[in-house]
Amino acid sequence: QSVLTQPPSVSGAPGQRVTISCTGSSSNIGAGDDVHWYHQLPGTAPKLLIYGNINRPSGVPDRFSASKSGTSASLAITGLQAEDEADYYCQSYDNRLSGFVFGTGTKVTVL
Amino acid sequence: EVQLLESGGGLVQPGGSLRLSCEASGFTFSDYAMSWVRRAPGKGLEWISLVFNGGTGTYYANSVMGRFTISRDNSKNTLYLQMNSLRADDTAVYYCAKEEGWDFTNYYMDAWGKGTTVIVSS
Repeated sequence: QSVLTQPPSVSGAPGQRVTISCTGSSSNIGAGDDVHWYHQLPGTAPKLLIYGNINRPSGVPDRFSASKSGTSASLAITGLQAEDEADYYCQSYDNRLSGFVFGTGTKVTVL
Repeated sequence: EVQLLESGGGLVQPGGSLRLSCEASGFTFSDYAMSWVRRAPGKGLEWISLVFNGGTGTYYANSVMGRFTISRDNSKNTLYLQMNSLRADDTAVYYCAKEEGWDFTNYYMDAWGKGTTVIVSS
């Protein structure tokens, strides 16, 4: 089981804004290590969305933004589009486990 | 363009072994750490192992420690995962990923392969 907790699902109508939380602890997010975000469309490989807490790789739309505070992080998607339907994961490093950890994952549904 | 191509998956009996490979192209393979990540049916992503660019430093998730071994051949631009003592809960799609970042604990996976499927069943 993951040490980073996300809501199992979030949904929104096209054009709306949704947010996904990622709750950790003092051994991972709270220890100061970066949080990264990925999404995985059905039947495809995961793809990097956000790195270093807030940075978007080239090619990722600015509809995706993220933040980090204390032992938590969040991802926001504004102007929701049908193509955003996917599973979303946060990821960080855990110094108690001495390894990388993914969040439990959140399924985004566009109504 | 960075490309990662996994191979070696298949059906194996519990207790059996399998070796996965990941051929890399489009970047200087020997400059980057690499990881294996898996996704079991109905579950989320799970990081399982990392090897540093030189091949001498390795890390493992507790779930595979002592059973799986990560390695790389920089002369062949290839990453490997030797999986022994396989169990039913090792059934998953296995992805290799290129690591990026300025500091180990802040690494992130900026390129992924399409994955190879491992099924452990009798």
